[in-house]
Amino acid sequence: GEDVEQSLFLSVREGDSSVINCTYTDSSSTYLYWYKQEPGAGLQLLTYIFSNMDMKQDQRLTVLLNKKDKHLSLRIADTQTGDSAIYFCAESIYNTDKLIFGTGTRLQVFP
Amino acid sequence: GAVVSQHPSWVICKSGTSVKIECRSLDFQATTMFWYRQFPKQSLMLMATSNEGSKATYEQGVEKDKFLINHASLTLSTLTVTSAHPEDSSFYICSAPWREDSYEQYFGPGTRLTVT
Repeated sequence: GEDVEQSLFLSVREGDSSVINCTYTDSSSTYLYWYKQEPGAGLQLLTYIFSNMDMKQDQRLTVLLNKKDKHLSLRIADTQTGDSAIYFCAESIYNTDKLIFGTGTRLQVFP
Repeated sequence: GAVVSQHPSWVICKSGTSVKIECRSLDFQATTMFWYRQFPKQSLMLMATSNEGSKATYEQGVEKDKFLINHASLTLSTLTVTSAHPEDSSFYICSAPWREDSYEQYFGPGTRLTVT
């Protein structure tokens, strides 16, 4: 079955880059996503990448996809305190709109 | 981006009662919506797919008689937790793709259910 794993916690200094990693198992996923969740709130779509791409950049965000290793990462440049949140990667199940979410990484940014 | 709302945002109910949670797509029509459940400090687990005009599709292990889903219109899906128990306390989140062939899904803000 599908399984999406992330490291649980990441702490970075303000202004540094953050890299959040994700491994997934379903090689037939069409899209892979990164969502942000702030305390007590719903999910905000940050970015996504199509499975035939290996990189996507969107302002401070860079997504890298290694399809061979089924590894996805999100790099946040110049991390700010407002970036503190839980970040979820998610993969789409082939030919459906269903999403399988990772375990979530709590990013803490300190001054 | 597209907006999905949920109501209520927070509800407390007594054991044995039922509670209804609404999910609305505010500026688009959604033939499909999804319901997720999130336990504290855990990930989201897909519960079911809500289909407009037909029965919902439940994920393995989710009790369909416990979690009743109705998708009566193209902008509204409801989740009713029947005969609630304390273990049903959780954060319930809905989502909808903003068009049928879209890869973008928009999530509601979530409903926190506490069963006492």
